[in-house]
Amino acid sequence: GENVEQHPSTLSVQEGDSAVIKCTYSDSASNYFPWYKQELGKRPQLIIDIRSNVGEKKDQRIAVTLNKTAKHFSLHITETQPEDSAVYFCAASIRFDGGSQGNLIFGKGTKLSVKP
Amino acid sequence: KAGVTQTPRYLIKTRGQQVTLSCSPISGHRSVSWYQQTPGQGLQFLFEYFSETQRNKGNFPGRFSGRQFSNSRSEMNVSTLELGDSALYLCASSLVGLSSGANVLTFGAGSRLTVL
Repeated sequence: GENVEQHPSTLSVQEGDSAVIKCTYSDSASNYFPWYKQELGKRPQLIIDIRSNVGEKKDQRIAVTLNKTAKHFSLHITETQPEDSAVYFCAASIRFDGGSQGNLIFGKGTKLSVKP
Repeated sequence: KAGVTQTPRYLIKTRGQQVTLSCSPISGHRSVSWYQQTPGQGLQFLFEYFSETQRNKGNFPGRFSGRQFSNSRSEMNVSTLELGDSALYLCASSLVGLSSGANVLTFGAGSRLTVL
């Protein structure tokens, strides 16, 4: 079945450094790739997403890149701050019968720790 | 605009019992998805409902079931509870369609189930 693999599972960086999280997906029909941030004890929140007709998207200190050929997408966080510490999940859409995209399959998460 | 509401937030059950969890989506959202979150396993897809119909189902045993009402509220039920069912159960709603806004999931705060 469809699968999303996420690496690394844990990542520790110094404040101000960059952090990169990588994901691969298996369903070539996937066309939507969101990233969610989940702080301790809170619900996952969408931080950025990208669709398959775009190779890169930026929003201030975060960016996502997509390589459709290799079925890879990555989250880049620059100038990390302690408040970036959280678990980050990537996801890829899967297609229902009939062609419409619907559900998301998630990676297992990356616990990012930003040390002051 | 109210967010996704899940009840109850916390509950404790014993093995063999059953449990029903409720999810009220954002007004206007017609799709409700359910995910199980456990440490190390990330977010695992249970099922998704749209217009009172189950559209897709993950790899969970038949003890896990759900339904959706005409007002888009959804319930999930787990029968014959096992210790391994202890988890955070998250529901998410989305405005489903072929527009660019499709597939964006907004999560509820979750229902934390402990099975003793």
